[in-house]
Amino acid sequence: DGGITQSPKYLFRKEGQNVTLSCEQNLNHDAMYWYRQDPGQGLRLIYYSQIVNDFQKGDIAEGYSVSREKKESFPLTVTSAQKNPTAFYLCASSPRGLRSYEQYFGPGTRLTVT
Amino acid sequence: AQKVTQAQTEISVVEKEDVTLDCVYETRDTTYYLFWYKQPPSGELVFLIRRNSFDEQNEISGRYSWNFQKSTSSFNFTITASQVVDSAVYFCALSESTGNQFYFGTGTSLTVIP
Repeated sequence: DGGITQSPKYLFRKEGQNVTLSCEQNLNHDAMYWYRQDPGQGLRLIYYSQIVNDFQKGDIAEGYSVSREKKESFPLTVTSAQKNPTAFYLCASSPRGLRSYEQYFGPGTRLTVT
Repeated sequence: AQKVTQAQTEISVVEKEDVTLDCVYETRDTTYYLFWYKQPPSGELVFLIRRNSFDEQNEISGRYSWNFQKSTSSFNFTITASQVVDSAVYFCALSESTGNQFYFGTGTSLTVIP
């Protein structure tokens, strides 16, 4: 089945540790996105990538890093510099990096940092 | 300022009642796109509809209908004869012809009581 996979579904880390969230898609989509969701705040864009080896910062990129070495993969690293990393993280993709296309979302990863 | 406002934070209805979820947007672009997504308890956002700014026709899909009014910058979503399975958080989103991102509202949590 085509879709977006995110792993793991739940992730626990100690404060001060970097952690990488996985996002893979087999939809052959060019564009991929990472969002953070906090209660009552909707979705906020962290990073997005329209093509391989290229990515741009979103509204809340500080403390995060990404890579796009393959079209199918867009991993997100939450670094120790991120002040409040505990959140629900959603990965999405769209056919092209154009605004007219809807985004398809993965199941999300819930990260808890203590 | 919020580009997408969903003023209703939580709504509860009894099964079989109709319910309307409000969405008000703000943009200076003449070309833009509006979306609705459903987020069930599992967490994955499910795409429901896309509407471009040049198409003000209302749309009906089964029990779902959407009312797009440019004069009031609104894109409201109505569920007719609600069912328990409709319980979810619903997000309205906007993408503009300029820029590269989606703007999500803060979501409306709908609970359908059996």
